[in-house]
Amino acid sequence: GAVVSQHPSWVICKSGTSVKIECRSLDFQATTMFWYRQFPKQSLMLMATSNEGSKATYEQGVEKDKFLINHASLTLSTLTVTSAHPEDSSFYICSARIPWGQGIRNTEAFFGQGTRLTVV
Amino acid sequence: AQTVTQSQPEMSVQEAETVTLSCTYDTSESDYYLFWYKQPPSRQMILVIRQEAYKQQNATENRFSVNFQKAAKSFSLKISDSQLGDAAMYFCAYRSAGKTGRRALTFGSGTRLQVQP
Repeated sequence: GAVVSQHPSWVICKSGTSVKIECRSLDFQATTMFWYRQFPKQSLMLMATSNEGSKATYEQGVEKDKFLINHASLTLSTLTVTSAHPEDSSFYICSARIPWGQGIRNTEAFFGQGTRLTVV
Repeated sequence: AQTVTQSQPEMSVQEAETVTLSCTYDTSESDYYLFWYKQPPSRQMILVIRQEAYKQQNATENRFSVNFQKAAKSFSLKISDSQLGDAAMYFCAYRSAGKTGRRALTFGSGTRLQVQP
């Protein structure tokens, strides 16, 4: 199946610093990637939809200036948590779908391994 | 907006037995996909099974099968011959199929499945 690689798998940072998380589609081109946030023992909540070559679409309540998303190529989307605070500590997961026409499994979303962010 | 509801926060099953996880959803769309994802302790999301709404036949994948009731907006997952490796968090998810629909997945709150040896 298609592979989505997310890096780093975990990161600890100090309050006030910024952290960048990368999401790569390794064997397909992803025009759209999705960023989710998962609090402990809770479900995945969509933060934003990342579109290659254009601005990301943020869900209501997600601060676009705090969670910067860049999708500069067809295989890479990045999420930067700016001026991180302890309440930003969470598990962040990206996913991507194979665009229509590139493969038969284009209804399925492929997920990265996730990034555990701890802000101290 | 679509919503997905999983009313069972936790379920337990004996090894080799069968268990059913419940999921209901709400939508005004007629064309959509439904999924069950498994999230083990590693937190990697793994697709278990997928159902296209336009198909009447219930999807099956080896020991996993679904009971899709479109009119009732119900999508339950049956795990047969449960194995210790099935222990995980299971999420039901919905995605629009139309061109103008929401392309991201909407997840339920999850059901934690324990498998007793």
